[in-house]
Amino acid sequence: SQELEQSPQSLIVQEGKNLTINCTSSKTLYGLYWYKQKYGEGLIFLMMLQKGGEEKSHEKITAKLDEKKQQSSLHITASQPSHAGIYLCGADNHGAGSYQLTFGKGTKLSVIP
Amino acid sequence: ETGVTQTPRHLVMGMTNKKSLKCEQHLGHNAMYWYKQSAKKPLELMFVYSLEERVENNSVPSRFSPECPNSSHLFLHLHTLQPEDSALYLCASSQETHNEQFFGPGTRLTVL
Repeated sequence: SQELEQSPQSLIVQEGKNLTINCTSSKTLYGLYWYKQKYGEGLIFLMMLQKGGEEKSHEKITAKLDEKKQQSSLHITASQPSHAGIYLCGADNHGAGSYQLTFGKGTKLSVIP
Repeated sequence: ETGVTQTPRHLVMGMTNKKSLKCEQHLGHNAMYWYKQSAKKPLELMFVYSLEERVENNSVPSRFSPECPNSSHLFLHLHTLQPEDSALYLCASSQETHNEQFFGPGTRLTVL
């Protein structure tokens, strides 16, 4: 089974609507990273969460980490066409000194003007 | 711009060719990574270099050969590739190996 599950796989929303993307790990989370990728391009770092209950925001994007559930959610408020892309979560399942991130398959977000 | 550049951006090669992918980071980081991204599969870590020493090789076939001459540059040498090696190859760097990684734009590789 997948070590890092993202849901939904794809999402189409009307501009101005809110949305949430989830990322669930089958292993202990020591850190959770959110990235955004435009099709065929590199990943842009959004946020890193390390502590249970931690919540970070950047512009209209908020990410939360539920350590007990080994889960993170990414919430976009009042979506815009510029938010369209593929959102990937990456998990640190090994702790201090680790270098390996496990990535989910991504959530493809389309925003209709 | 993330501070990580990759060349070429696109590459088409035959199975008998030899080519190299180049990555350069301008962030002063000391760890660099090669990833492979195939359609409908999660990002796969291929190689990790920390302080110019290879610390990870995730069972990657020997037709992929990495080289890290200094902390700013990383190469991926390719030879006798297979069509299933066609993918987006991404380079990343980080300060220490457990911090957030910054990615380059990738090289789209097609093997004919």
